[in-house]
Amino acid sequence: KQEVTQIPAALSVPEGENLVLNCSFTDSAIYNLQWFRQDPGKGLTSLLLIQSSQREQTSGRLNASLDKSSGRSTLYIAASQPGDSATYLCAVRPGLEQGGKLIFGQGTELSVKP
Amino acid sequence: DTGVSQDPRHKITKRGQNVTFRCDPISEHNRLYWYRQTLGQGPEFLTYFQNEAQLEKSRLLSDRFSAERPKGSFSTLEIQRTEQGDSAMYLCASSPFRLIPGRSLYEQYFGPGTRLTVT
Repeated sequence: KQEVTQIPAALSVPEGENLVLNCSFTDSAIYNLQWFRQDPGKGLTSLLLIQSSQREQTSGRLNASLDKSSGRSTLYIAASQPGDSATYLCAVRPGLEQGGKLIFGQGTELSVKP
Repeated sequence: DTGVSQDPRHKITKRGQNVTFRCDPISEHNRLYWYRQTLGQGPEFLTYFQNEAQLEKSRLLSDRFSAERPKGSFSTLEIQRTEQGDSAMYLCASSPFRLIPGRSLYEQYFGPGTRLTVT
């Protein structure tokens, strides 16, 4: 059974710092991995999607990497800003034939202090 | 592209009452998903549709839960005889089944959610 874990559960950093959020999954047979942002009481905003054949994706100050063999993904945020404060969730899609449901980690709550 | 919409955004109900939520996916997205999220946890998959066909249901979806997607457009999620344990955020997502310019294949796009409180 696929399980997704995110460490740490919460992180507080000063503005301007570069930071890394971690995501691990137990079964390397994934189709893709998606990183989301969730503001309090809101829905999820898709940040980056990495196909299983890719190693990384970049969007602005965000860079996500994927090491499928070791079951790990990282989300790198450069030059953090207070507006980056939110909960970050990673989710894996187990396989193309499995319907497309996502299996989520429990999230990392990020606080960027001015 | 107006995004995924959900209605209502908040629902407070008394235990034992029935509730129904609606989700309107992004147009041209033929897959629609329902997830449930409790406080401090990641979303958990409930069910998904491809067009009007419900193709998978999680064991989390008890007999009190039913979902429909008539005509393959909007979807409804009904909870009968609500219990306090049903209190959660109910999230809907949609994804395209074919590559659409500017989108990632199979990428899921989420709505704002419906927060249910059962008193």
